[in-house]
Amino acid sequence: EPEVTQTPSHQVTQMGQEVILRCVPISNHLYFYWYRQILGQKVEFLVSFYNNEISEKSEIFDDQFSVERPDGSNFTLKIRSTKLEDSAMYFCASSRQGVDNEQFFGPGTRLTVL
Amino acid sequence: GENVEQHPSTLSVQEGDSAVIKCTYSDSASNYFPWYKQELGKGPQLIIDIRSNVGEKKDQRIAVTLNKTAKHFSLHITETQPEDSAVYFCAANGGSQGNLIFGKGTKLSVKP
Repeated sequence: EPEVTQTPSHQVTQMGQEVILRCVPISNHLYFYWYRQILGQKVEFLVSFYNNEISEKSEIFDDQFSVERPDGSNFTLKIRSTKLEDSAMYFCASSRQGVDNEQFFGPGTRLTVL
Repeated sequence: GENVEQHPSTLSVQEGDSAVIKCTYSDSASNYFPWYKQELGKGPQLIIDIRSNVGEKKDQRIAVTLNKTAKHFSLHITETQPEDSAVYFCAANGGSQGNLIFGKGTKLSVKP
């Protein structure tokens, strides 16, 4: 059964450093998402991506964040200058269609900012 | 924007009993309501979903009901088993591209 994969599983970085989180969505899916989950809290939407551009983003997704689909299979989230409060689990999700279609989540990347 | 409230935050049941988790949403434009199960250290796993054109959907021991008028939906798990123990999240689609707005989660514990 196809699944969303994410690397790395755990990333530790120093405050102010740049990090890139990587995702490989399910191959025939067209809509891609990033969510984050601070420890013990709910999952929060960051950004959606379709047709090689951002479709929608939340207030969390400020200028420090960017997304890219560099090669037709990977989908990346970059945080330019990490802050302590960026420490969280980051989940990638993909969907075949969009608005009312199932979203499948990857296993997540745990980001720890020291 | 959409807001999703979920209750209870924790739920403990005996094996074999039923468990019910309830959610309310605020945006009447939402039309897709998935439920996710999250085990420790893993990503959310879609277990069932319902769209606004139906009132109830069942898949073996789990069922979801939707009341559009009252803007609430519920997850029902019957004959609970210890492996049902996890955190369950409800969600509603909140944007034009289907981004999901999640509830705060319910930690379900099934005691053998």
